[in-house]
Amino acid sequence: QVQLVQSGAEVKKPGASVKVSCKVSGYTLTELSMHWVRQVPGEGPEWMGGFDPEFSEKVYPQKFQGRVTMTEDTSTDTAYMELSGLTSEDTAVYYCATDRQLHFDYWGQGTLVTVSS
Amino acid sequence: DIQMTQSPSSLSASVGDRVTITCRASHSISSLLNWYQQKPGKAPKLLIYAASSLRSGVPSRFSGSGSGTDFTLTISSLQPEDFATYYCQQSYSFPRTFGQGTKLEI
Repeated sequence: QVQLVQSGAEVKKPGASVKVSCKVSGYTLTELSMHWVRQVPGEGPEWMGGFDPEFSEKVYPQKFQGRVTMTEDTSTDTAYMELSGLTSEDTAVYYCATDRQLHFDYWGQGTLVTVSS
Repeated sequence: DIQMTQSPSSLSASVGDRVTITCRASHSISSLLNWYQQKPGKAPKLLIYAASSLRSGVPSRFSGSGSGTDFTLTISSLQPEDFATYYCQQSYSFPRTFGQGTKLEI
């Protein structure tokens, strides 16, 4: 059973960066393809990027390219998502999620990021 | 990008009803379609993967069907705990995309 525990809520000013963590237990991070999904309140989920095992590389949608960085610390089985150049439109709940067989089977509890001056 | 369109966007139903939610992809996605249930303040929960495979532990009243561009999620007999928002999502190509959601209300 995979468990994903995320870091706590953040409040950031416009232009700042935020780094959200996702601690894995039950599996090692190297056994998982980790992805990040965000959800603006009242809207549907939006995929922000993740690991493509077919090509062994991270894939990001064009919308976030250059602004999002996903990293891993395999010594602590913790994944990170850093988003820079924050605006009010980045206010959302951010989730990590595993994709082992082309579906997001386990999710973190979510981290609310609020961008406000 | 593959666009996913769900209908209806909201649905009123009663306990015991049979309900069907539809998801249409802008391009063929074979059977690489997943369904999630989300309750307020919670992360989405996987119900159905690969269009029709029921995730272990999910009640058998949930079922999925379809291939290509047209898919359905059916709940055979609504239970009180089923009132939630449902999303489809394609895993055929990157970027992964979700439908806009169907809110199931009493």
